[in-house]
Amino acid sequence: GAGVSQSPSNKVTEKGKDVELRCDPISGHTALYWYRQRLGQGLEFLIYFQGNSAPDKSGLPSDRFSAERTGESVSTLTIQRTQQEDSAVYLCASSPQVGVNEKLLFGSGTQLSVL
Amino acid sequence: GQQVMQIPQYQHVQEGEDFTTYCNSSTTLSNIQWYKQRPGGHPVFLIQLVKSGEVKKQKRLTFQFGEAKKNSSLHITATQTTDVGTYFCAGGPTDSWGKLQFGAGTQVVVTP
Repeated sequence: GAGVSQSPSNKVTEKGKDVELRCDPISGHTALYWYRQRLGQGLEFLIYFQGNSAPDKSGLPSDRFSAERTGESVSTLTIQRTQQEDSAVYLCASSPQVGVNEKLLFGSGTQLSVL
Repeated sequence: GQQVMQIPQYQHVQEGEDFTTYCNSSTTLSNIQWYKQRPGGHPVFLIQLVKSGEVKKQKRLTFQFGEAKKNSSLHITATQTTDVGTYFCAGGPTDSWGKLQFGAGTQVVVTP
């Protein structure tokens, strides 16, 4: 596609429910990244994928968070038993590969609100 | 673990004035990137610095990477209303290229 696409753009859920956030990276980009941005805050690293593998999962806040990527394409970030503190914008980015000279191209994000 | 800090958190600037925002890392970086996020938007890549002491310019924006590769700065001259937004630096650790750590950002407000 022309850019990184994320869906849904907005998600309102009740505390305790599970949610799935989707990211479609730019075609051909082998690297994919997930970040979280709370209101008025910076970007918090969650996880990155090189192909379908996630070499570093240390940024995931708790075991309620998981992510997967298939076909070196679409990625899904799943949050189980959502809490109000999970409310944030979840940003996905992709780059041609993982490396020093790679810039991240971000999607427009998913605004998650947990009531 | 690596931490990237930015100062100031907020910057109110009169149109036409200059200002500088600073980025400091607790560890040596392989590279540093700068992004701009307009209100309601997503971060957009501005530039990357890789070499020690490197200086790059984009029109009115000057970016610098410290000699020790642990700090960086962004200087904007003759600020315009189009410069409004939050500027983030992002540091690449030397041991994990995929784990780009963002600073908290400098929110810039421009007064006409």
